[in-house]
Amino acid sequence: AQSVTQLDSQVPVFEEAPVELRCNYSSSVSVYLFWYVQYPNQGLQLLLKYLSGSTLVESINGFEAEFNKSQTSFHLRKPSVHISDTAEYFCAVPGGSQGNLIFGKGTKLSVKP
Amino acid sequence: SAVISQKPSRDICQRGTSLTIQCQVDSQVTMMFWYRQQPGQSLTLIATANQGSEATYESGFVIDKFPISRPNLTFSTLTVSNMSPEDSSIYLCSVSAGFSYEQYFGPGTRLTVT
Repeated sequence: AQSVTQLDSQVPVFEEAPVELRCNYSSSVSVYLFWYVQYPNQGLQLLLKYLSGSTLVESINGFEAEFNKSQTSFHLRKPSVHISDTAEYFCAVPGGSQGNLIFGKGTKLSVKP
Repeated sequence: SAVISQKPSRDICQRGTSLTIQCQVDSQVTMMFWYRQQPGQSLTLIATANQGSEATYESGFVIDKFPISRPNLTFSTLTVSNMSPEDSSIYLCSVSAGFSYEQYFGPGTRLTVT
């Protein structure tokens, strides 16, 4: 069965510092990978996705993630975070026969001034 | 992309009662998903709802507790029956974007059971 591991439950950082949120997956088949973000009291929004092609994918708000097949990882990075990036971030992979997603436990990013 | 709305956005209910959550999509979709996000936890799939067929439930979730309707290609409801405080969660519906497994999520329904 597919699974996703997010190693850090909480990541506190100061504004303008770099950040990396870690995600490892288990899969022996073709891989699709997703990062979703959940701002306080809101639903989930797709942040970025890897389907095929370039292993480095970027979002419109400065986040990027790199698909590393040998390390089965899809870590999320941002070189300089803002207060507005404070949210919970979920890594996800397709799982099950219903076309649903399997989510990691989430990483709460807290950006402090 | 799809725009999804849910009603209600939040509710506080007494134990033993039932709540029906509505999910409306702005386009026709084949599959709709219902997830539960318990406090401080990740998302867990409750069931998948296809129009014209019975919902498919994940292990640990049963139809008597979480009956689902899917009357057409843009609408679904999830009922949380005979509620207990353990049912306090955020309930989210989502739809598939197509072949890539990407999903779009509604804003969620925050349920508190007292």
